[in-house]
Amino acid sequence: GENVEQHPSTLSVQEGDSAVIKCTYSDSASNYFPWYKQELGKGSQLIIDIRSNVGEKKDQRIAVTLNKTAKHFSLHITETQPEDSAVYFCAASWDTDKLIFGTGTRLQVFP
Amino acid sequence: DSGVTQTPKHLITATGQRVTLRCSPRSGDLSVYWYQQSLDQGLQFLIQYYNGEERAKGNILERFSAQQFPDLHSELNLSSLELGDSALYFCASSLGTTQETQYFGPGTRLLVL
Repeated sequence: GENVEQHPSTLSVQEGDSAVIKCTYSDSASNYFPWYKQELGKGSQLIIDIRSNVGEKKDQRIAVTLNKTAKHFSLHITETQPEDSAVYFCAASWDTDKLIFGTGTRLQVFP
Repeated sequence: DSGVTQTPKHLITATGQRVTLRCSPRSGDLSVYWYQQSLDQGLQFLIQYYNGEERAKGNILERFSAQQFPDLHSELNLSSLELGDSALYFCASSLGTTQETQYFGPGTRLLVL
């Protein structure tokens, strides 16, 4: 079945540096790739998503890139701030509402 | 605040027991999803309901069941609980059209002793 691998599991960066989280999916039919941010004690919140007809999408300090040939997509956060500290999940789906999530990356931004 | 509410926030129970988790979707959302998040694991999709009907099923155990009521709130029933069922259970909702944004509730933390 569909599987999504996510790396790294933990990531520590200095405030102002960039952070990159990578995900690989197994099903080539996947066509929707959202990223969710989970803060302590809260539910996950969609921060950005990308569809298979687009190679890159940017929203202020956050960007996502998609390589369909290699079946991987990445989240890029620039100019990181302490409030970016959270667990980030990637996910994939194919023409359904069913999301297959990665195992999460705990990002810690040090002031 | 996502607009999705879940009760209770915390639940402690014993093995063999049965519990019910409740979720109220955002106003206007027709789809409800249930996810399980175990320690250091990603969100595992359990089941989806759309306007009262089951739409998709994930790796949901036979001991678990769910339903969506006419007012669109949903309940997840977990029975014959085992230690391994201890996890965070999240509910999410969406409008119901394909690949719409899912809005997550704050979760219910279940501890089975």
